[in-house]
Amino acid sequence: GESVGLHLPTLSVQEGDNSIINCAYSNSASDYFIWYKQESGKGPQFIIDIRSNMDKRQGQRVTVLLNKTVKHLSLQIAATQPGDSAVYFCAENPNTGGFKTIFGAGTRLFVKA
Amino acid sequence: GAVVSQHPSWVICKSGTSVKIECRSLDFQATTMFWYRQFPKQSLMLMATSNEGSKATYEQGVEKDKFLINHASLTLSTLTVTSAHPEDSSFYICSAIGVGGSSTDTQYFGPGTRLTVL
Repeated sequence: GESVGLHLPTLSVQEGDNSIINCAYSNSASDYFIWYKQESGKGPQFIIDIRSNMDKRQGQRVTVLLNKTVKHLSLQIAATQPGDSAVYFCAENPNTGGFKTIFGAGTRLFVKA
Repeated sequence: GAVVSQHPSWVICKSGTSVKIECRSLDFQATTMFWYRQFPKQSLMLMATSNEGSKATYEQGVEKDKFLINHASLTLSTLTVTSAHPEDSSFYICSAIGVGGSSTDTQYFGPGTRLTVL
């Protein structure tokens, strides 16, 4: 079935270091991928997205890499800050003709000061 | 821009009662809204897709008679949890896509509603 999963459930990094959060997806037909950040008790916040015709996209301090060959996504956060501490979800649109978005399991990022 | 609100932010109810949760797009019109449920330390699970002026589309395993969805206007969708039981206690989150949006358009999420059923 369709699923999006993450390699690591938790990640702890030192403030100032770079963070890499990984995600595997199983639906090769998915054409759109999104990373969300969710702080405790709040709704998901859009971070960055990437379409399947791209393999890299950069934002402010964040980069998403897409490897369609192995169905793998990663989110790189540069110079991680305490405010980056949250749960990060990758999500995919399985390209079934609608807007359906499937969320991965999530990775909790801890930033140590 | 693109703000989605939910009301209430939290609610506590007795088992057997019904609870209505509102999702509003504040500064844009949304033909499509989504309702998700999130249990503690788990991911978001899509419950249903709400389309303005038509019936909602429910995901497999979601009881449509228990989770009533109404999307009567381009800025409001409601989720009513009928005959709530303790196992319905969860964090309910809505999201919205603007009018004319495509499947690759960003979904804007609400802040969530914490439901606790006693």
